[in-house]
Amino acid sequence: SYELTQPPSVSVSPGQTASITCSGDKLGDKYACWYQQKPGQSPVLVIYQDSKRPSGIPERFSGSNSGNTATLTISGTQALDEADYYCQAWDSQGVFGGGTKLTVL
Amino acid sequence: QVQLQESGPGLVKPSGTLSLTCAVSGGSISSSNWWSWVRQPPGKGLEWIGEIYHSGSTNYNPSLKSRVTISVDKSKNQFSLKLSSVTAADTAVYYCARGYSGTLGYYYYYYMDVWGKGTTVTVSS
Repeated sequence: SYELTQPPSVSVSPGQTASITCSGDKLGDKYACWYQQKPGQSPVLVIYQDSKRPSGIPERFSGSNSGNTATLTISGTQALDEADYYCQAWDSQGVFGGGTKLTVL
Repeated sequence: QVQLQESGPGLVKPSGTLSLTCAVSGGSISSSNWWSWVRQPPGKGLEWIGEIYHSGSTNYNPSLKSRVTISVDKSKNQFSLKLSSVTAADTAVYYCARGYSGTLGYYYYYYMDVWGKGTTVTVSS
């Protein structure tokens, strides 16, 4: 079955740029999306179709996907961005990455 | 805007069947969307369970396929999940979500843009 791999954790200082990667075989030949999940809350879609932002998602969230890696980038990271982030793609079924805990310190 | 609300028993006995319903409000379940179930065991990541279209077409996670049934009730604007032969490993928060899918260029996309608040199901005797 298809697998997506994310680093378990990423740390960033406030105001700096955070990058979270998601790796999978020929992931660039699929569309990736990203979800943000804060403790006790439902996931929220922050990026879809590799790089599009849903209405209401701040411009500091951006995405890219090429080769075997999709990347979620958060520019000017704020404390409120601290959360778990999950990538997801489709390979005859929905597939999630294992999640990355973003710490802003 | 579309809202989703899960409901069902919070406690299921081992070997029993987990049954949940997701009520769709603010929109029609007969829209051009797939309606999905996702779960999250305590302290762990998200797992896609399966999805249904209003026509009744379904897709399931192969690892759960033998135990899962997803159905739709258009008259009630809701869809449901049944998971049989449950064990403690099925203890999780269960979410329903609205899915968008299609082909753009050469590739297929799928994402879930609206999620319910989730409901906790514990499997225990």
